[in-house]
Amino acid sequence: DAKTTQPNSMESNEEEPVHLPCNHSTISGTDYIHWYRQLPSQGPEYVIHGLTSNVNNRMASLAIAEDRKSSTLILHRATLRDAAVYYCILRDGGYSGGGADGLTFGKGTHLIIQP
Amino acid sequence: DAGITQSPRHKVTETGTPVTLRCHQTENHRYMYWYRQDPGHGLRLIHYSYGVKDTDKGEVSDGYSVSRSKTEDFLLTLESATSSQTSVYFCAISAGTGGYEQYFGPGTRLTVT
Repeated sequence: DAKTTQPNSMESNEEEPVHLPCNHSTISGTDYIHWYRQLPSQGPEYVIHGLTSNVNNRMASLAIAEDRKSSTLILHRATLRDAAVYYCILRDGGYSGGGADGLTFGKGTHLIIQP
Repeated sequence: DAGITQSPRHKVTETGTPVTLRCHQTENHRYMYWYRQDPGHGLRLIHYSYGVKDTDKGEVSDGYSVSRSKTEDFLLTLESATSSQTSVYFCAISAGTGGYEQYFGPGTRLTVT
């Protein structure tokens, strides 16, 4: 499986934008880039995903490099509630194993928000 | 929020006893997954299902079995619980693979004494 690399931790101030980077230099043409986050004592929460084009939803934006070897999750205006571990995960859109593909979680980025 | 519930939410059991955890969904999604989360390991896939009666093993399946007799329910059984199975267990659902997101339940904290 293609792997992702994220910084262990990042710190930001409340009400400022946050840019969380992810490197995935071995990404294949059929891999989707997924982002999840996990707040303390909760299950992981889906944030956003994309294939080639930048994506926006109510929670965040996903900027994908032209060569797809890196991506950035953008929180436009961080709040204290955004303090969580953020996971960047590749999921094969060409999966044809007949079964299902689970998510492979790394260690993610621990985002700290300062008031 | 996706309609996923897990039961029980907390359980303490003794070594050697069988334990069954239940995941219930109201979304009619085809795919269901069981993960465990331990400090220092992140989430790891135990078993998954791609339809009623269709299941397969994940990364850490030893000591666990699963069953799915209805679309909405996915059961995880620890045949003979061991202390190494003390963990937080998360269920997830998905409408598809690849370009589809997964939605996670609230988790079950299991302690094996």
